[in-house]
Amino acid sequence: EVQLVESGGGLVQPGRSLRLSCIASGFTFGDYAMSWVRQAPGKGLEWISFIRNKLHDETTEYAASVEGRFTVSRDDSTNIAYLQMNSLKTDDTGVYYCARAKRGCDAGNCFRDASDIWGRGTLVTVSS
Amino acid sequence: EIVLTQSPGTLSLSPGERATLSCRTSQSVASFYIAWYQQRPGQAPRLLFYAASHRATGVPDRFSGSGSGTDFTLTISRLEPEDFAVYYCQQYGSSYSFGQGTKLEI
Repeated sequence: EVQLVESGGGLVQPGRSLRLSCIASGFTFGDYAMSWVRQAPGKGLEWISFIRNKLHDETTEYAASVEGRFTVSRDDSTNIAYLQMNSLKTDDTGVYYCARAKRGCDAGNCFRDASDIWGRGTLVTVSS
Repeated sequence: EIVLTQSPGTLSLSPGERATLSCRTSQSVASFYIAWYQQRPGQAPRLLFYAASHRATGVPDRFSGSGSGTDFTLTISRLEPEDFAVYYCQQYGSSYSFGQGTKLEI
């Protein structure tokens, strides 16, 4: 079964750090780009980061709201994507989802794409 | 940044009726880069359409997607009870962005 499972969420004070993990199974993780999307309580979806695969130098993109504070990375040997979140703010509170880009990456391209597989999310609460 | 505006914010209909949801982009987006998602309460989003009109695996054919340029539409021909949820459009042609969502309620 193709699956993504997030972990690492919890309660953290403003200004502190947290690292989220997303474990992939059921597909060749190294062939796909991955995204992180968050959802504040009662609000809509907000895309926050994207990482291409190793063949494409694991290049990354970030939303302006997290650029410089969050870092996305991946370890294809363990099928895990990470989101390192530093200098957390109360506005960062929400459920964080990882998601797979539908099209796989090939030798020539690793495009942004719609997300066809999503994890169930992990809740991050930033509060003093 | 490309801004997506969905309308209406809330759509109140009954099972069996037709639903039409709109997504307008702040600048022209190739239809190849438009997706629609469904999110039921307490669940992760589910991909419905990619490239504006290509139905994802397992999506019933009562759902259809269309549009071009700056105007895109998700249509549900005959609403089933399980279709009442929140729907989001997304563009992935220039970075990523989501619309604010349309809540489809009974």
